Amino acid sequence: AQSVSQHNHHVILSEAASLELGCNYSYGGTVNLFWYVQYPGQHLQLLLKYFSGDPLVKGIKGFEAEFIKSKFSFNLRKPSVQWSDTAEYFCAMPWEMFSGGYNKLIFGAGTRLAVHP
Amino acid sequence: EPEVTQTPSHQVTQMGQEVILRCVPISNHLYFYWYRQILGQKVEFLVSFYNNEISEKSEIFDDQFSVERPDGSNFTLKIRSTKLEDSAMYFCASRATGVNSPLHFGNGTRLTVT
Repeated sequence: AQSVSQHNHHVILSEAASLELGCNYSYGGTVNLFWYVQYPGQHLQLLLKYFSGDPLVKGIKGFEAEFIKSKFSFNLRKPSVQWSDTAEYFCAMPWEMFSGGYNKLIFGAGTRLAVHP
Repeated sequence: EPEVTQTPSHQVTQMGQEVILRCVPISNHLYFYWYRQILGQKVEFLVSFYNNEISEKSEIFDDQFSVERPDGSNFTLKIRSTKLEDSAMYFCASRATGVNSPLHFGNGTRLTVT
């Protein structure tokens, strides 16, 4: 069955530290993947997406993610975090895609990132 | 940039009462969704809607829940008889056609059932 898992539930970093958040998926077919961010008290915002092509995807606010098919992973990275990156990060993938898109986007459990000044 | 809007931002209701959560999706989007997030927990899919009918629904979306697109702009979620465990943040989302179209989320409605 399709699933998305995020094993780091809480991450605490100091400003300027490098970040890598894990995301693993389970699916045998064509994979499309997203990372969303939820700042405190706000809605989910798209950080980046992977559909095909270059497995290294660059998103907003200096984030990037690498799709590694052999590892079933799509880890999120940022070379130097800022206090303003404090948020919850969700990895997501479409469930059962069709030509029009997908009827459901399934989310991982999320990783809460706290960045200390 | 166009955005999904939700009203109200916070709704307090008593157990057993009906609530209607309202959403205005992005105007050229055809696929609509409701998700919920209980405090401190993961984002859970409730239902998706396309062409005036439900495309997919989760086991959470039982007979107490319904969705409607009453006109060309609004998309509503109704809970007929609220329970304490319905307290959560409810997010509406919409997307354009295509496998590479992400979901665009609204700011959410915080529902508190007392």
